[in-house]
Amino acid sequence: SQQGEEDPQALSIQEGENATMNCSYKTSINNLQWYRQNSGRGLVHLILIRSNEREKHSGRLRVTLDTSKKSSSLLITASRAADTASYFCASINDYKLSFGAGTTVTVRA
Amino acid sequence: ETGVTQTPRHLVMGMTNKKSLKCEQHLGHNAMYWYKQSAKKPLELMFVYNFKEQTENNSVPSRFSPECPNSSHLFLHLHTLQPEDSALYLCASSQDHPQPQHFGDGTRLSIL
Repeated sequence: SQQGEEDPQALSIQEGENATMNCSYKTSINNLQWYRQNSGRGLVHLILIRSNEREKHSGRLRVTLDTSKKSSSLLITASRAADTASYFCASINDYKLSFGAGTTVTVRA
Repeated sequence: ETGVTQTPRHLVMGMTNKKSLKCEQHLGHNAMYWYKQSAKKPLELMFVYNFKEQTENNSVPSRFSPECPNSSHLFLHLHTLQPEDSALYLCASSQDHPQPQHFGDGTRLSIL
């Protein structure tokens, strides 16, 4: 069953702007992962945040985790056309892995 | 190049056909996965293999039959599929389950 749910479903921004998307989950987790999927391709792992971490950075990506609210957010700063893709969160609880339906991000030149 | 190769990339088959999807990983990983991706739906985890043993089967209909002969290869055997089985089928691997996964580019399956 679906555990993670991303919000919004779709996002359109201008190049150079920041993009923020959220993920909510239902049960406790061991960690939460974010993935990107370009059109016609498989998913690519971006970043993993453990349940005892609150924030993590990787390049222009910033992920936060609020276990009290059972939510995570992914921020992409200074967006580029190449960031146009779908972004998915995957929550992991006791070896059970669940993906959400994703947020589709379009970066306009 | 993700290190996970899926063949074929596209497959069109009738409901009475039998076909197989193939996945090969060159990463030395121990876990392999099959997913179904349909438009506007969450990615559905179908099967998990860890060290060649099936550890998860998420209520997948028996018309989908996985096979993992070794830790580098994974197959999905298909027979008497239904139109609603049309989707993108993704294979992935990870060092162990459930660590971050490397995905192939998928097989786009269309059932006529």
